[in-house]
Amino acid sequence: NAGVMQNPRHLVRRRGQEARLRCSPMKGHSHVYWYRQLPEEGLKFMVYLQKENIIDESGMPKERFSAEFPKEGPSILRIQQVVRGDSAAYFCASTGVRNIQYFGAGTRLSVL
Amino acid sequence: SQQGEEDPQALSIQEGENATMNCSYKTSINNLQWYRQNSGRGLVHLILIRSNEREKHSGRLRVTLDTSKKSSSLLITASRAADTASYFCATDGMETSGSRLTFGEGTQLTVNP
Repeated sequence: NAGVMQNPRHLVRRRGQEARLRCSPMKGHSHVYWYRQLPEEGLKFMVYLQKENIIDESGMPKERFSAEFPKEGPSILRIQQVVRGDSAAYFCASTGVRNIQYFGAGTRLSVL
Repeated sequence: SQQGEEDPQALSIQEGENATMNCSYKTSINNLQWYRQNSGRGLVHLILIRSNEREKHSGRLRVTLDTSKKSSSLLITASRAADTASYFCATDGMETSGSRLTFGEGTQLTVNP
């Protein structure tokens, strides 16, 4: 399957734990975007990365959130010391030509 | 208000009818795209229209763009129950970096068999 792969699909964490969300872009894509979706809302941009570079992190909360896209391996969105308000669906997208973003199935984070 | 607002928020129609969803935005754009999201799933790209285009068709989908009014519409003709989903417009603007997309809040479409 050459699509955008996200794992895990569902993640349950207790308050104060760390959440690590992974995204493998489509084959041949080197640009990755992370978005967050709260229930009944649209997607909100978080961060845009290329291999080994953060291009735009203007949508990332100032604390506890970080993202990376190493030379080898998937992109990682890391949330430290999770709180209930972090519960959401987190989507990753990668781009090819014409700025069309191809989305993964998302990771649904539930913080207890 | 937010960049990328769809209306209506929810739309319920009978199978075979046409569904029209509207989207407004605030800043200048390069492209406007429409995506579909089934409940609990990821987004599927439907159609992209460039800022210099006024209308585009793809199968049963018709998208219009009016840059003077900063608005777009998505028309689904001869709807089917399987069209039931949320529909989002998304813009990539001249003022934002790369292909970062700004999404509206979506229209929840229900097509009743």
